[in-house]
Amino acid sequence: ETGVTQSPTHLIKTRGQQVTLRCSSQSGHNTVSWYQQALGQGPQFIFQYYREEENGRGNFPPRFSGLQFPNYSSELNVNALELDDSALYLCASSLRAGGLSPYNEQFFGPGTRLTVL
Amino acid sequence: RKEVEQDPGPFNVPEGATVAFNCTYSNSASQSFFWYRQDCRKEPKLLMSVYSSGNEDGRFTAQLNRASQYISLLIRDSKLSDSATYLCVVSRNAGNNRKLIWGLGTSLAVNP
Repeated sequence: ETGVTQSPTHLIKTRGQQVTLRCSSQSGHNTVSWYQQALGQGPQFIFQYYREEENGRGNFPPRFSGLQFPNYSSELNVNALELDDSALYLCASSLRAGGLSPYNEQFFGPGTRLTVL
Repeated sequence: RKEVEQDPGPFNVPEGATVAFNCTYSNSASQSFFWYRQDCRKEPKLLMSVYSSGNEDGRFTAQLNRASQYISLLIRDSKLSDSATYLCVVSRNAGNNRKLIWGLGTSLAVNP
């Protein structure tokens, strides 16, 4: 087991609602990244948080937002849900050594499967 | 054209076979390279990082060719349990941030 946990495991929402997904990073890791994976697709990078600040963002609209807490756990919030938001949302933790060094290996949680009706 | 491309497969091979996957990337500024394995409806798990000199982990060998901008994964003596999707991941700097770009994956089915 990687030590990264996510909650909830499954969620069903309706269009227009808001959702908050949670992630606890692996012990000793200071960086959390969020991904959206649609069925049959590779994970798409949403954003990354390092020391409580957003450290990079993919091509997702502002209704996707996040937080990282002092204990390095993180939340992903999605407002005004759309049908296309239905996907597996993955959280990955890693240890960033600082500076612009390349990504370290990331360890993924089991994901939250979101269904928007 | 996607920045990271993989042959989606599926690759169907018998047990004991050797199989190789390639992954091409288009941005020469790419710095780090990884292979992840993903089982059906599960999260991706890191299989191995890919180093410039190439690296081996048991039956798995990863290689990087910067000149031609591709990485490869070779699996020897395939086992039934190797059946999964193999995802190629490339990272690079994007401004002051870093970015991970994922391929769509190559599906492998190892048959008895």
